[in-house]
Amino acid sequence: QVQLQQWGSGLLKTSDTLSLTCVVYGGSFHDYQWTWIRQSPGKGLEWIGRIFRTGTTDYSPSLESRVTMSLDTSRSQFSLKLNSLTLADTAVYYCARANGGVELDAYFDSWGRGTLVTVSS
Amino acid sequence: QSVLTQPPSVSGAPGQGATISCTGTSSNIGAGYAVHWYQQLAGTAPKLLIFRNTDRPSGVPDRFSGSKSGTSASLAISGLQAEDEADYYCQSYDNGLRVSVFGEGTKLTVL
Repeated sequence: QVQLQQWGSGLLKTSDTLSLTCVVYGGSFHDYQWTWIRQSPGKGLEWIGRIFRTGTTDYSPSLESRVTMSLDTSRSQFSLKLNSLTLADTAVYYCARANGGVELDAYFDSWGRGTLVTVSS
Repeated sequence: QSVLTQPPSVSGAPGQGATISCTGTSSNIGAGYAVHWYQQLAGTAPKLLIFRNTDRPSGVPDRFSGSKSGTSASLAISGLQAEDEADYYCQSYDNGLRVSVFGEGTKLTVL
């Protein structure tokens, strides 16, 4: 039974950099896409991007200028950094496992509990 | 505004059924990409309910079923129970936006 446990900074200021990490317990780390998704009241669920075991990344075009994802396979961890924060980045951020090989329409079968990130001025 | 359109709310009495629609376009559902469904209970992370249009993960009751046709998909719930009260989201991929996309969510109320 795979479990995703996430942690990171929850209260930030505009122009700061958000930093979150997710560790994967159980299951293979190498057979999936590792993703970040956020949820805000105004915009619902929003896919941020994904990283493959090779380190290859794929970001949402609307965020790619500010996003960096990385992974540490030895620790079964992957991370998200989002810079130049604005008030609009306030959301609950989830890490999730995407199942479906390299398919674009993969589904998210395991989720972290979420981290509320609040950006203030 | 989301790329995938869902009704804001649906309701039904215990024991009855409910259906939630998810309408897309030729850039996502209509392009042949799979539709997946999630249930989100209050204060928790979304949980996978249906994947690849019609498949259920182990542990999901067969009261939940999915279908897809053309540019739309549907989630049907039979024998409504109080514990089914939640928000439900559809998800697919959009080749114009180049992102996984979600519907706005539908709040199911069990009367």
